[in-house]
Amino acid sequence: KQEVTQIPAALSVPEGENLVLNCSFTDSAIYNLQWFRQDPGKGLTSLLLIQSSQREQTSGRLNASLDKSSGRSTLYIAASQPGDSATYLCAVGGGADGLTFGKGTHLIIQP
Amino acid sequence: DTAVSQTPKYLVTQMGNDKSIKCEQNLGHDTMYWYKQDSKKFLKIMFSYNNKELIINETVPNRFSPKSPDKAHLNLHINSLELGDSAVYFCASSRISEGNTIYFGEGSWLTVV
Repeated sequence: KQEVTQIPAALSVPEGENLVLNCSFTDSAIYNLQWFRQDPGKGLTSLLLIQSSQREQTSGRLNASLDKSSGRSTLYIAASQPGDSATYLCAVGGGADGLTFGKGTHLIIQP
Repeated sequence: DTAVSQTPKYLVTQMGNDKSIKCEQNLGHDTMYWYKQDSKKFLKIMFSYNNKELIINETVPNRFSPKSPDKAHLNLHINSLELGDSAVYFCASSRISEGNTIYFGEGSWLTVV
């Protein structure tokens, strides 16, 4: 059964730093991997989607990589801002089986 | 235009009641899902429907019954509500042939008192 682990569980850094969030999964038979952002009391915002045949995706200051063979993904955030403070969720799978989520990384960017 | 919409957004109800959460998607997707986010913020799939047929039914109490009248709707009925049912319930949809990007609704916050 697929298991998704996110490290660290929580992270607090000063504004302006570059940072990396890690995600690992146990079963490499996935359709895709998605990174989401969730603000307190809010729904999910999709940040990046990487198909199983792709290695990385970029959107603005965000870059996500996927190494399916090793079951790992990273989300790189450049020049962090206080507005980036949120919980970041990694999810893998796809197809009719839906997504399996990690427990998230709670990120705080200090002004 | 809201892609995946669910109602109500907030629901407070007493133990033992029966309630429903409705979900509709206007994306023409063929697969819909219900996810539950518990008090520890962990998201887990509950049900998956493809073309109105049940694909996944995780270990969910049979008090929870999804109903899909058509491909654009997947409603969640909950009977005999318990305190532990308090959570945020997310509806989602996707089209498997389009790389299966999954789109989520904004969530329904259920509180059982």
